[in-house]
Amino acid sequence: AQTVTQSQPEMSVQEAETVTLSCTYDTSENNYYLFWYKQPPSRQMILVIRQEAYKQQNATENRFSVNFQKAAKSFSLKISDSQLGDTAMYFCASCGTSYGKLTFGQGTILTVHP
Amino acid sequence: NAGVMQNPRHLVRRRGQEARLRCSPMKGHSHVYWYRQLPEEGLKFMVYLQKENIIDESGMPKERFSAEFPKEGPSILRIQQVVRGDSAAYFCASSPSADSYEQYFGPGTRLTVT
Repeated sequence: AQTVTQSQPEMSVQEAETVTLSCTYDTSENNYYLFWYKQPPSRQMILVIRQEAYKQQNATENRFSVNFQKAAKSFSLKISDSQLGDTAMYFCASCGTSYGKLTFGQGTILTVHP
Repeated sequence: NAGVMQNPRHLVRRRGQEARLRCSPMKGHSHVYWYRQLPEEGLKFMVYLQKENIIDESGMPKERFSAEFPKEGPSILRIQQVVRGDSAAYFCASSPSADSYEQYFGPGTRLTVT
């Protein structure tokens, strides 16, 4: 079984600044994947970044990077140079490697202010 | 290559009616997942299907809900005798293989039960 916890219901940041969203998880799987998804007001689920648990190197995608702490079961998302278009709900998620049944956290609403 | 398609995008049903939600996966994808997002909550896994087979339905309510993914045509999530508590956004996602961690989401169907 997997659980994902996001302890920050809401966050805000000024445009061009950096913000970090927190996520912790628990799993009984030996290997697993971790994800951050963005859900803007359109409600479309957009994959932001993903991490394979057996890879120690933190994933990066342009302005988005993660801090993956496997022992602590922590998977935070850092957004650099925040843009107004980053305003959205952000979900942390995990799945085992046998198939892609995703377990989502409760979400963090991020607001970027001009 | 068209993305995952869901229709209808919005569906209004009266209590006691049936709701049929359709999901056409991306071309070449034979694995489909359905998730439900209740208001102000994260997405919750409902069911995982491969062509003509239900692999994991551990998240499906025991009554009134069913899903199929026939050899030809879209995957269908069927809700019989809808109640107000079924009002939610229903998302499907598809992937090209079981162990792929590439899961692509459709735009969702927002079901409103009046």
